Amino acid sequence: DIQMTQSPSSLSASIGDRVTITCQADQDITKYLNWYQQKPGKAPKVLIYYASILETGVPSRFSGSGSGTDFTFTISSLQPEDIASYYCQQYESLPLTFGQGTRLEIK
Amino acid sequence: EVQLVESGGDLVKPGGSLRLSCAAFGFAFNTYSMNWVRQVPGKGLEWVSSISTSSSYIYYADSVKGRFTISRDNAKNSLYLQMNSLRGEDTAVYYCVGQGETYIWGQGTLVTVSS
Repeated sequence: DIQMTQSPSSLSASIGDRVTITCQADQDITKYLNWYQQKPGKAPKVLIYYASILETGVPSRFSGSGSGTDFTFTISSLQPEDIASYYCQQYESLPLTFGQGTRLEIK
Repeated sequence: EVQLVESGGDLVKPGGSLRLSCAAFGFAFNTYSMNWVRQVPGKGLEWVSSISTSSSYIYYADSVKGRFTISRDNAKNSLYLQMNSLRGEDTAVYYCVGQGETYIWGQGTLVTVSS
């Protein structure tokens, strides 16, 4: 199984801040990586797929980069509606595996 | 509208059975591999099972192998998960997830295993 290590597990930031989350795979997954946003009581929502492609309708302040084993998710200017948990997920091979999640809070 | 709608979640006693269903709308269901992913409330996401477009390939997490059975009916645009010999650790929200050009998630259905 491919293990995904996501950090940090929680993050406190101010409105307007640049926020960065990292995800590391323990083997090469090329660019087969999704980034999700999940709000309480809701299903995860895909924000980024194939490591860097923005899902239709997702604001451009969200971005993703990386390939191989190291990936980064960035919010360029944090907005109040971005308060949520964020997860990475690899789909290079089964089983699908997820990072442990990052809980984002407002400072 | 593209969506997946799960149903069938309930409170069940340990050792009991439950069948989850997932109905697909607004996309070519028969071109998507399908998955079940679960989440203990307040915790992370765990993949449970996958089925290919024509049901030729089926995979299970070790934690559910031999107890859960995934199936699909492309004519009915539906995915199923038969859950037998349920345990307390199976308590979670179960999501139906379509895997194609992108990923489509349902809203989830809660399964509670408790006496």
